[in-house]
Amino acid sequence: SQQGEEDPQALSIQEGENATMNCSYKTSINNLQWYRQNSGRGLVHLILIRSNEREKHSGRLRVTLDTSKKSSSLLITASRAADTASYFCATDEGGAQKLVFGQGTRLTINP
Amino acid sequence: DAGVIQSPRHEVTEMGQEVTLRCKPISGHDYLFWYRQTMMRGLELLIYFNNNVPIDDSGMPEDRFSAKMPNASFSTLKIQPSEPRDSAVYFCASRGLAGGMETQYFGPGTRLLVL
Repeated sequence: SQQGEEDPQALSIQEGENATMNCSYKTSINNLQWYRQNSGRGLVHLILIRSNEREKHSGRLRVTLDTSKKSSSLLITASRAADTASYFCATDEGGAQKLVFGQGTRLTINP
Repeated sequence: DAGVIQSPRHEVTEMGQEVTLRCKPISGHDYLFWYRQTMMRGLELLIYFNNNVPIDDSGMPEDRFSAKMPNASFSTLKIQPSEPRDSAVYFCASRGLAGGMETQYFGPGTRLLVL
């Protein structure tokens, strides 16, 4: 069952703007990951942040993690039409070998 | 590498029929996961294998569902008999040292419609 909650459920912005998505979880974790899913496709791993890290960057992606609040955020800067997709956070709170996914944020980038 | 391969990509069947979904994980990966995705319930883990052995099947909804992994390069998820509420997208994912132990690599999914 789903443990994480993502906010917002849907986000629509103009190309070039920044997009921020949030994720909350319930129990202690070792790491948190973000995945992207294009329509009709499987999930693709974007970035992983460990519990002892507070911020991580990868290209136009910036992820933060606040373990005291049990929350994470994904920032996509200078958005492009190709960033249109659903974004999911996933934690290992289900156990070291299992990932628990949030409900996802559906991001639409308008040209 | 071709990535995780799933077949069929689409399946339409009638209630009561047997459905078999297939997955070929990435070579060298020792973990294989089966997920189901629906609008109502999101992405749910059904079962996962380590070195071809089922480790946790607590997500399998009921006895109508079964999964096997006869070797390191092949797994099946079977639904018998199928029901309309089984309609969903079923994903297979694999993981291993080659890709970083925590990262899962997903296949394109099988879109199942049970009429």
